[in-house]
Amino acid sequence: GAGVSQSPSNKVTEKGKDVELRCDPISGHTALYWYRQSLGQGLEFLIYFQGNSAPDKSGLPSDRFSAERTGGSVSTLTIQRTQQEDSAVYLCASSSQAETQYFGPGTRLLVL
Amino acid sequence: AQKVTQAQTEISVVEKEDVTLDCVYETRDTTYYLFWYKQPPSGELVFLIRRNSFDEQNEISGRYSWNFQKSTSSFNFTITASQVVDSAVYFCALSEARRGSTLGRLYFGRGTQLTVWP
Repeated sequence: GAGVSQSPSNKVTEKGKDVELRCDPISGHTALYWYRQSLGQGLEFLIYFQGNSAPDKSGLPSDRFSAERTGGSVSTLTIQRTQQEDSAVYLCASSSQAETQYFGPGTRLLVL
Repeated sequence: AQKVTQAQTEISVVEKEDVTLDCVYETRDTTYYLFWYKQPPSGELVFLIRRNSFDEQNEISGRYSWNFQKSTSSFNFTITASQVVDSAVYFCALSEARRGSTLGRLYFGRGTQLTVWP
């Protein structure tokens, strides 16, 4: 079946602009996770959605970052007023309850 | 606090050599899960294996094997007869059990870059 998909694959933006990154999880997966990967910081957890529970936002680095998951499926990660340090690969993963997380191909964000 | 340490930043071997990637973890939980993921140059994280804290049996899958030892908090990964296609960054990760049987976020190590030369 189809895996996790993310769009866009690449995004170049100017400092100060807002960006939206999209994640389509594997059909039927109840949990969805966002991570980011940068050279200096490795793989960092950002936010986690599980079913109808309140999301775990403990990894969001600042209030410029937010995410939502509509209808228990697609998720959008929004970064407002982007900064150069936001440049990274943003990875989305999904899982069934108590199962392994499967990752999408990522969105490469470059903030100029 | 949860922590995963992969002390080897880079490893280079010649094809057909065996190589072991080390992973040491810290957690206060009695129920947890350990994972290995592979990240080839294409960038996508590929799941390799998952073990739970109650199952210390070693596992072999083709040329891959994993050695889980709770006594030393280690979950090492060995590739036998390495091949050029094994070249990638390998990540070890830890997840705790959340309420019910849900798994929580992954705590990743910094990764080990494995290069296999022909």
